[in-house]
Amino acid sequence: GENVEQHPSTLSVQEGDSAVIKCTYSDSASNYFPWYKQELGKGPQLIIDIRSNVGEKKDQRIAVTLNKTAKHFSLHITETQPEDSAVYFCASRGGYSSASKIIFGSGTRLSIRP
Amino acid sequence: DTGVSQNPRHKITKRGQNVTFRCDPISEHNRLYWYRQTLGQGPEFLTYFQNEAQLEKSRLLSDRFSAERPKGSFSTLEIQRTEQGDSAMYLCASSSTGGVGEQYFGPGTRLTVT
Repeated sequence: GENVEQHPSTLSVQEGDSAVIKCTYSDSASNYFPWYKQELGKGPQLIIDIRSNVGEKKDQRIAVTLNKTAKHFSLHITETQPEDSAVYFCASRGGYSSASKIIFGSGTRLSIRP
Repeated sequence: DTGVSQNPRHKITKRGQNVTFRCDPISEHNRLYWYRQTLGQGPEFLTYFQNEAQLEKSRLLSDRFSAERPKGSFSTLEIQRTEQGDSAMYLCASSSTGGVGEQYFGPGTRLTVT
């Protein structure tokens, strides 16, 4: 069935360094890939997304890349700051419709060391 | 604040009791989703509404679970005869039919079944 694998499960980086989280998906029909940040006790917050007709997208310190052939996509955070500490989830939308459910990875707990 | 809201935020109940959660989506969004998130995992899809019509249900949604969206605005999720395995965070998300259908999540209802 539809599946999204995410790694690493935990990541600790020095403040100011970069962090990279990688994901793979199984459904060839997936065409939309959102990334969510979840802080303790809160719901997931959409931070960036990418569609399958785009290879890369940037928003300030955050960038996402997509390799549709290999079914890989990644999140890159540069110049990390303490407020970047959270759990990050990659996801794919399982199907062509914009109404389709989202399939989430298992999350990466990112810690920023001062 | 015009984001997705959920009530209650926390619910503790005894096994065998019934519970009901409420979700108020972003006002102009006609799509509403319920997800369940257990500790250390990503959210898993439960069900989806477009306006008042329930269009998709996951196999995770056993017959003890029922969801409604009677007027196409707020939604309720009821769990009958709760079991300890129902303990989780129940998340609601909403999206519009325009654009890529980004889903925006509420803060969730944390259910603890004792």
